[in-house]
Amino acid sequence: SQQGEEDPQALSIQEGENATMNCSYKTSINNLQWYRQNSGRGLVHLILIRSNEREKHSGRLRVTLDTSKKSSSLLITASRAADTASYFCATGGYNFNKFYFGSGTKLNVKP
Amino acid sequence: GAGVSQSPSNKVTEKGKDVELRCDPISGHTALYWYRQSLGQGLEFLIYFQGNSAPDKSGLPSDRFSAERTGGSVSTLTIQRTQQEDSAVYLCASSFGVGAGGPRNIQYFGAGTRLSVL
Repeated sequence: SQQGEEDPQALSIQEGENATMNCSYKTSINNLQWYRQNSGRGLVHLILIRSNEREKHSGRLRVTLDTSKKSSSLLITASRAADTASYFCATGGYNFNKFYFGSGTKLNVKP
Repeated sequence: GAGVSQSPSNKVTEKGKDVELRCDPISGHTALYWYRQSLGQGLEFLIYFQGNSAPDKSGLPSDRFSAERTGGSVSTLTIQRTQQEDSAVYLCASSFGVGAGGPRNIQYFGAGTRLSVL
């Protein structure tokens, strides 16, 4: 399976701390995306990193990609209670037809 | 509308009945995806439409599941003879479609339909 897998499954931190989530995948990819989901409903796209990129920033988000290790990490700096959500990585292969979502990391930021 | 619209937002049905779930993608998006998410789990790919190409149905779990996309826009996911294990949130997403990769592949999700089979 190409499915990405996030680690850890759950993470609980205090407001102001940094949160790091990891994603591992199994096959070659064209790009990797991170999404956020609140309350088990629709997902919202956060950031996309292409296979030829190693690091990308967007506001308080930093994503790294290591294609040799088939892994990515999402860092949320200075976390806020509003960051409480589930975070998923999705990998897109060269076929583009399917995007494989992992089982997610459930982040709880305590005020 | 501005976003992906799904209806109904909640559906309760009896085992054995058929259900239809609707997805109205963002205007101009040629790609449309259906996913299923069981409680506390990740997203399970069901089916993918891209323009006028034959859909990728490889994720449909059984022949009770089918989907159509009329006129390259609205899509309907039909589940026949529903079973209790079909209970889940069904999510639809659309994107600009395939290309060189990158932003065209960003998926925009609807709020989902929560299906409960009693």
